[in-house]
Amino acid sequence: GQQLNQSPQSMFIQEGEDVSMNCTSSSIFNTWLWYKQDPGEGPVLLIALYKAGELTSNGRLTAQFGITRKDSFLNISASIPSDVGIYFCAGPPSNQGGKLIFGQGTELSVKP
Amino acid sequence: NAGVTQTPKFQVLKTGQSMTLQCAQDMNHNSMYWYRQDPGMGLRLIYYSASEGTTDKGEVPNGYNVSRLNKREFSLRLESAAPSQTSVYFCASNSGAGYNSPLHFGNGTRLTVT
Repeated sequence: GQQLNQSPQSMFIQEGEDVSMNCTSSSIFNTWLWYKQDPGEGPVLLIALYKAGELTSNGRLTAQFGITRKDSFLNISASIPSDVGIYFCAGPPSNQGGKLIFGQGTELSVKP
Repeated sequence: NAGVTQTPKFQVLKTGQSMTLQCAQDMNHNSMYWYRQDPGMGLRLIYYSASEGTTDKGEVPNGYNVSRLNKREFSLRLESAAPSQTSVYFCASNSGAGYNSPLHFGNGTRLTVT
């Protein structure tokens, strides 16, 4: 079935460093969503992207909707310990009635 | 305003036992979903309910049943639990089945089947 591939699967960084992660699909998506899951909780929506080429920021987070519509990127600047968690990309394949599918997640660890 | 509430938070079952996971939302959302989360596999959709009175299979429905009891509540039932169903289960809701409406998740039920 349709899959979203996220990379990297995990990252271990020092506090203050910038972080980049991406998500790719084999087919075109019209929407890209980025969620964050804190340990022991459910995912929470960070950023939603609706147009190819769109660049959207939410505080220290910036996400981009790839021009090809088959990928998306999430950047975190000047990481802090509370950035720890799992970041998921998600999108609605056009042939699945708007239901979301999720990537495998990127697990971020931040060392103080 | 509690959002999406799931019970129980933790559960241990023996193979073959049955149980029902409960989910309720107080946001007047039309659509509700059940996902399972396994290491390295992200979130996979089990069943969803686009509106009260309707339910549909997701990506991994085998071994599960659901009931949309009313607009607020959507339960997930395991009739005969198997070790492969050990997972973290998340309920979610949104105002419609489309992608323009963000999903709101509960905090999960951690299920272990021995």
